[in-house]
Amino acid sequence: TQLLEQSPQFLSIQEGENLTVYCNSSSVFSSLQWYRQEPGEGPVLLVTVVTGGEVKKLKRLTFQFGDARKDSSLHITAAQPGDTGLYLCLAGGTSYGKLTFGQGTILTVHP
Amino acid sequence: DSGVTQTPKHLITATGQRVTLRCSPRSGDLSVYWYQQSLDQGLQFLIQYYNGEERAKGNILERFSAQQFPDLHSELNLSSLELGDSALYFCASSSRLSWSDTQYFGPGTRLTVL
Repeated sequence: TQLLEQSPQFLSIQEGENLTVYCNSSSVFSSLQWYRQEPGEGPVLLVTVVTGGEVKKLKRLTFQFGDARKDSSLHITAAQPGDTGLYLCLAGGTSYGKLTFGQGTILTVHP
Repeated sequence: DSGVTQTPKHLITATGQRVTLRCSPRSGDLSVYWYQQSLDQGLQFLIQYYNGEERAKGNILERFSAQQFPDLHSELNLSSLELGDSALYFCASSSRLSWSDTQYFGPGTRLTVL
């Protein structure tokens, strides 16, 4: 099983602060996705990154895929209480059956 | 609303029993994925079906099985239940075979094994 290390596990910040969540592995992935999950609901896809070195922006969220396609980061600028939730990375290889989620980062943004 | 429906929403049963979880994918989606989410293991991929055929297997126990029917709905069967099987079970659907295609998750079924 491919291991996907996600950090930090918990993040509690004030509104307006910036934060970065990391997703790292020793394996190379064909692509990686970031999801956000709210209590009582299923995860919702935020972004898919495919190319090594790729950077994608979604409003205040910036996603980066490492050059070697082994790691990724999610950066949130000026966090808002509405950003509160569980953030998950999901990665897979070119072979089927190797879908792996990171352990998740529980983000709490205080007003 | 993702368009994916799962029933039942909650299920409480006893050890040793067997249960069936049902998932209806979004209209037109051919792929169905099953995931298990627990506090200690996080979110784990169990199995994927595409147009009625099993296409990928993750950390699915031998006591668990799944199938996808001609109308594309899917069922996850869990047997000889143990306390550790208590978890949230999600299904997700996507239009294509590739796992990196956008997956739409259902609201989940919370299984409690007593």
